[in-house]
Amino acid sequence: SQQGEEDPQALSIQEGENATMNCSYKTSINNLQWYRQNSGRGLVHLILIRSNEREKHSGRLRVTLDTSKKSSSLLITASRAADTASYFCATEGQGGSEKLVFGKGTKLTVNP
Amino acid sequence: ETGVTQTPRHLVMGMTNKKSLKCEQHLGHNAMYWYKQSAKKPLELMFVYSLEERVENNSVPSRFSPECPNSSHLFLHLHTLQPEDSALYLCASSQLSGDYGYTFGSGTRLTVV
Repeated sequence: SQQGEEDPQALSIQEGENATMNCSYKTSINNLQWYRQNSGRGLVHLILIRSNEREKHSGRLRVTLDTSKKSSSLLITASRAADTASYFCATEGQGGSEKLVFGKGTKLTVNP
Repeated sequence: ETGVTQTPRHLVMGMTNKKSLKCEQHLGHNAMYWYKQSAKKPLELMFVYSLEERVENNSVPSRFSPECPNSSHLFLHLHTLQPEDSALYLCASSQLSGDYGYTFGSGTRLTVV
């Protein structure tokens, strides 16, 4: 399975601190994506990194990808209480498969 | 609103009922998906429609029946469900042939009693 596995399962930090979440996967990928989900709602696409990219930035988000280790990290800098949510990584496999496979997610709590 | 609209937002149904979940997107996407999200489990892909043809059916029980009448609409017909089918059902859409993310709806919270 190419399912992503996020680490840690839960993370609690203070506002202003940085939050780092990690994701590992098992097979070759076309791209890796990070999503955010507020409680009981739909997922929101945050950022996509292609297999030939190593780092990508979007606002306070920084994503890295290490295909040799089959791992990715999501860094949220200067966190805010509004960043409290669950964060999921998802992988799109190679070979024309369009489906995304999601991990179980990291539940981030940012305390004011 | 994300551009993907799911109705209803909440649904309570008995095990002998028949109901349908509806998903609509006006983003011009050409692929649509149903996912199931249960507590403490990863999102499970149920069905994929690519260019209005079903291309994936992940061993989903026949009590779930999808329908995609056109590229903008996706339905999930439900009948004789079990309590373990209670979950958040998420619809998503995407544009094929490009590195684009999925756009998700807000989901339907289904409770089977």
